[in-house]
Amino acid sequence: AQRVTQPEKLLSVFKGAPVELKCNYSYSGSPELFWYVQYSRQRLQLLLRHISRESIKGFTADLNKGETSFHLKKPFAQEEDSAMYYCALGQGAQKLVFGQGTRLTINP
Amino acid sequence: SAVISQKPSRDICQRGTSLTIQCQVDSQVTMMFWYRQQPGQSLTLIATANQGSEATYESGFVIDKFPISRPNLTFSTLTVSNMSPEDSSIYLCSVVRQGAYEQYFGPGTRLTVT
Repeated sequence: AQRVTQPEKLLSVFKGAPVELKCNYSYSGSPELFWYVQYSRQRLQLLLRHISRESIKGFTADLNKGETSFHLKKPFAQEEDSAMYYCALGQGAQKLVFGQGTRLTINP
Repeated sequence: SAVISQKPSRDICQRGTSLTIQCQVDSQVTMMFWYRQQPGQSLTLIATANQGSEATYESGFVIDKFPISRPNLTFSTLTVSNMSPEDSSIYLCSVVRQGAYEQYFGPGTRLTVT
């Protein structure tokens, strides 16, 4: 069965410190992985997609098929990064399976 | 991007009643989905709304409980039938444009069943 695991429900780091949000998945085919973000009082929105291999708002994520991971990283956290982050696995017809989410808090 | 609106934004309903949630998109889209987010939980896909035909439901969700309509390419409804307190959740619709990969999410409908 397809599954996405985000082991940390809460993550708190200081401004300027590196951030890593963990995501592991189980999927029998070729996975399509995404990170979605929800800022306070805003709707869920796409942050980045593994295929694009781009950096958005300083965040990057590398798909590691050997470790079945898709961790989200940023070298220097900013206060505006505080939000709820969801890792998601894309299936046929683009249905998404979401992880439990990690609430990231950046302390000043 | 796609501009998505949902009505109502929130509601408080009594046990045993039904509520219909509307999802309206500002342009034609290929795919429309309905998700549920129970308190403290992640998003779970309920079904894919198919234009002109019956919705495709995920395991654990049935048409009698969550009937869905999609009369055209810009509109869909989800009904939560015979509600119980366990149905208290945020219900979200999402859309995907043809040839695109990004899902755009609506603002959600917060339902409380008493």
